[in-house]
Amino acid sequence: QSVLTQPPSASGTPGQRVTISCSGSSSNIGSNTVNWYQQLPGTAPKLLIYYNDQRPSGVPDRFSGSKSGTSASLAISGLQSEDEADYYCAAWDDSLNGQVFGTGTKVTVL
Amino acid sequence: QLQLQESGPGLVKPSETLSLTCTVSGGSISSDSYYWGGIRQPPGKGLEWIGSIYYSGSTYYNPSLRGRVTISVDTSMNQFSLRLSSVTAADTAVYYCARRFRITKAFENWGQGTMVTVSS
Repeated sequence: QSVLTQPPSASGTPGQRVTISCSGSSSNIGSNTVNWYQQLPGTAPKLLIYYNDQRPSGVPDRFSGSKSGTSASLAISGLQSEDEADYYCAAWDDSLNGQVFGTGTKVTVL
Repeated sequence: QLQLQESGPGLVKPSETLSLTCTVSGGSISSDSYYWGGIRQPPGKGLEWIGSIYYSGSTYYNPSLRGRVTISVDTSMNQFSLRLSSVTAADTAVYYCARRFRITKAFENWGQGTMVTVSS
């Protein structure tokens, strides 16, 4: 039922830059801010990016977010082994009057 | 530090009602800056928002679950509860409680999650 589309997987070697896309529509990303969550294996999701590009306290600055039109992106610079996790974008949807999550992207560190 | 703890039965029979309680500690559920919500994750799948509630009782529900889900708040106990009726195997999932900042709509705090299996 996800209305935000992400690639199912992404990978890179340690130190590389990885980018994850999140595609939505005018009723969600196009008119609201985007948040990103990191879910390490076997744990609850954790807020990684809010308001499109803001990092909560404690989140390393190698994580960055951006938004343009009805799409958003999460970039991980200087990829580290501990970044291996699932990543989800999320936004409010004005048509559904509710929160929608992306399909999720599994990041693998090679 | 704010913490959320889910509690409820780990096993529910088909057609019955799933009931979960989320207990908030380290902060007040009556804060006017936050909503409180439920999110679920079927095994091996992605996240699905269930619904959210404000301390005043105002609610938002996922349209795909509307009619089956009810979220209520008990400010005296610093708890909120989630009920999902007429469950089927498709409702088997890890259920999370979370706190959402009203302005950013970001879920800033999450409980550890509780696995609920629907099976006879």
